[in-house]
Amino acid sequence: EAEVAQSPRYKITEKSQAVAFWCDPISGHATLYWYRQILGQGPELLVQFQDESVVDDSQLPKDRFSAERLKGVDSTLKIQPAELGDSAMYLCASSRGQGNGVGEAFFGQGTRLTVV
Amino acid sequence: DQQVKQNSPSLSVQEGRISILNCDYTNSMFDYFLWYKKYPAEGPTFLISISSIKDKNEDGRFTVFLNKSAKHLSLHIVPSQPGDSAVYFCAALSGYALNFGKGTSLLVTP
Repeated sequence: EAEVAQSPRYKITEKSQAVAFWCDPISGHATLYWYRQILGQGPELLVQFQDESVVDDSQLPKDRFSAERLKGVDSTLKIQPAELGDSAMYLCASSRGQGNGVGEAFFGQGTRLTVV
Repeated sequence: DQQVKQNSPSLSVQEGRISILNCDYTNSMFDYFLWYKKYPAEGPTFLISISSIKDKNEDGRFTVFLNKSAKHLSLHIVPSQPGDSAVYFCAALSGYALNFGKGTSLLVTP
């Protein structure tokens, strides 16, 4: 069964350091999302790609966060410098983005980031 | 500004009984709603969805009801099973973006 792959599963980093997460969506899925989930909250959208283009990054803290999906396939999310408040689960999801399954996003297992 | 609200952070139900999880939304432009289920240390998994042109969608033990006038939807699980214990997120689709509620933690006890 096709899955969204994310790495690493866990990351501990010191504040002010740089950290990067990687996501490989399900093959053929045009839409890719990065969400951040703080414990006790629902996932919050950070950035959304349609193929290689950013369609929504309004909630992305652009002074420290960046995301790219250069070839419209896999994607990286980077934080530099990391702050204590960035500790959260970072979830990647993908969807076909059209038809009846437009809203059905498939999530990866996430990357649990701890900033110390 | 939370556009999707799940006001019950937790719910405990006995095995075999019905679980009802509620969700309210504020944006009348939402036209597609989904429920996701999440186990600890895993990403959310899609459970069931409903379009705004319908008021009910059923899939096995899971039924979602939509009341557009009240901007309210609910997920019914019957009969509830211990394996249903998880966090359930309500989500609403705006364009291609999913807006999630904070989740309700369901515990099904034997």
